[in-house]
Amino acid sequence: DIVLTQTPLSSAVTLGQPASISCRSNQSLVHSDGHTYLNWLHQRPGQPPRLLIFKISNRFSGVPDRFSGSGAVTDFTLQISRVEAEDVGVYYCMQETEFPVITFGQGTRLEIK
Amino acid sequence: QVQLQQSGPGLVKPSQTLSLTCDISGDSVSSNIAAWIWIRQSPSRGLEWLGRTYYRSKWYNDYAVSVKSRITVNSDTSKNEFSLQLNSVTPEDTAVYYCARENDVGAIDYWGQGTLVTVSS
Repeated sequence: DIVLTQTPLSSAVTLGQPASISCRSNQSLVHSDGHTYLNWLHQRPGQPPRLLIFKISNRFSGVPDRFSGSGAVTDFTLQISRVEAEDVGVYYCMQETEFPVITFGQGTRLEIK
Repeated sequence: QVQLQQSGPGLVKPSQTLSLTCDISGDSVSSNIAAWIWIRQSPSRGLEWLGRTYYRSKWYNDYAVSVKSRITVNSDTSKNEFSLQLNSVTPEDTAVYYCARENDVGAIDYWGQGTLVTVSS
């Protein structure tokens, strides 16, 4: 089974400063079709998660361009270029390479310093 | 714009069946490119995928190993909705349950509002 490990588990960032979250998989996330189904979600308190990034680096509709994703095979990163107040919450990586199984990282809590 | 509206009881007794429904607007449950999934979230287990249903000339279902013996995900094309049934619940099944859409690029792009289900006598 694929296990996704996120670091750090929590981070406090000053407004306007960058933030970075790592997601590491215990197995390659490259699918036999050549795509890598590693996505990033953001969850604010009391709300469902929302999609930020799909297939490593593609921003979902309406996601600000201060969010970017990168990485390959087993190591992936979500970066926020300049943190804004609305970015607080918990960030999750998730994989759909191991279809039909979907797995999630344990989450990284972002707060403002 | 796709919207998913969940309904169902927030309290279920141990050993009974948890039943939730997800009404779809802006898409079709029998879409040939989307899949319809259930996920739950609890402090102890985090986000946990439970199962999916989808139509590709016929209906398919996938279930997580952890709940495979107790779960059924069904679709109702006349109502454009899908449902979750989880049998023989225990307090460990207490969680916020979400329905969601999985799109054709392997991402979960729309979520229901979530339903807190507490298993307690």
